[in-house]
Parts: sequence; C-alpha cells; structure tokens
Amino acid sequence: AQKVTQAQTEISVVEKEDVTLDCVYETRDTTYYLFWYKQPPSGELVFLIRRNSFDEQNEISGRYSWNFQKSTSSFNFTITASQVVDSAVYFCALSAPVWNTPLVFGKGTRLSVIA
Amino acid sequence: DSGVTQTPKHLITATGQRVTLRCSPRSGDLSVYWYQQSLDQGLQFLIQYYNGEERAKGNILERFSAQQFPDLHSELNLSSLELGDSALYFCASSGKIDPEQDHQETQYFGPGTRLLVL
Repeated sequence: AQKVTQAQTEISVVEKEDVTLDCVYETRDTTYYLFWYKQPPSGELVFLIRRNSFDEQNEISGRYSWNFQKSTSSFNFTITASQVVDSAVYFCALSAPVWNTPLVFGKGTRLSVIA
Repeated sequence: DSGVTQTPKHLITATGQRVTLRCSPRSGDLSVYWYQQSLDQGLQFLIQYYNGEERAKGNILERFSAQQFPDLHSELNLSSLELGDSALYFCASSGKIDPEQDHQETQYFGPGTRLLVL
C-alpha cells in the first residue's frame, strides 16, 4: 500500500526565513510519481511540481526547491526567503506508475509566514 | 486558473437530502477524479472516470455515486446526507496522453465545492 507522511502539522516562520517541508513516502512500486500541491486560504489546490522516481535530480524554481532522495524515501520542499503569500497548506502526494492513477496525499503542512 | 470548473462553490443542505456536484474538466482531458477533503480524513480519493467509464474506486460510500457524460463533464451525487459528509469536494482532471503509455500525468484541480450538511 502507498502512504505519504508529512510529520510537520504546522510551521510558523518570520518573513525572509528559509523553511523546509518534509515528505516521507512508502510504496512497493519500483517506479512512481511524487507531487507537491499548495492550498492557499482561498481553498483551491495548486499544482507545484511532479517528479518521476527515475529522476533524482533536485529541482529549483525561483524561491522553491525540491530535494528528492530515493534512499530515504523523502521528497522535501524548501522555500527560500519566505513571503507572506507563501502562507498555505502544502500537500505531498504519491501515485503509482500506471497511467493516470489516483493520488495518495499526505495530511498536509500548514505554513504561516509572519511579516 | 487550472481550467477545471466546479459548481456550485458552496452548498448548504439538511441531513437526509440529496445533492449533485458538477465538474467540467480541462479542455481535452479524458480523466476526471473526485476527492473529498475533510478535517479528520484529509484528502481522500473517491472515484475516477475515464472517457465515460468508471476506472478506479476509492473510499466512496454507497450513498455516493458519479458519472461522466459524453461531453466529459462529471457529476457526483451524494444522497441521504449525514453531518459527517460536510467537506470540500474537489474534482481534478488529466489524461491528454495516450493511455497506452505508462505515464502519470499531472492532475489539475478545480476550486472545489464546499458542502455543509446541517
């Protein structure tokens, strides 16, 4: 069975601090996909990144970066120089490699960035 | 804007009633997924349709049903509503790529329908 654990329920940081959101996953599949989504206070789910388990390169997109480590089954998300607009709930998700299968989500981490 | 639309945005109803939530996928997407987000259960997959056919089922109650129509929009029907059904219901879509390819596409989510059962 697949499982995603986001151990940090809530994190609070001061603006301009860096923050890392942890994601640990469990799966018996040898290949799989990992995702991060953002849910701002308005409620919608916004796609941030998709990563294939074959690709272990870290990725950077502006102030966002992702560290994928297959050896520790982790896919952590770092926000550099956080801003108030980053305040949201962030979800990590996992899917099987079969074409278009449902996502298994973690419980989410609520990030509050204080000005 | 993800391109996925959901109506209504908010729904308030009473226990025992029946409601229908509607979803229009992104243009060209063939797969529609329904997820429920509640405080105690988190984000849970309910059901998936691909090109009109049911493809996968998750933790969907027997009181709930869904369908996907020829124009690819989908409806989620919730009946005999209970207080515990109050939640945010999301629709997501994906599936432009050939299903013969072993590839997981990104699911794009609609804004959700917030259901309150009183």
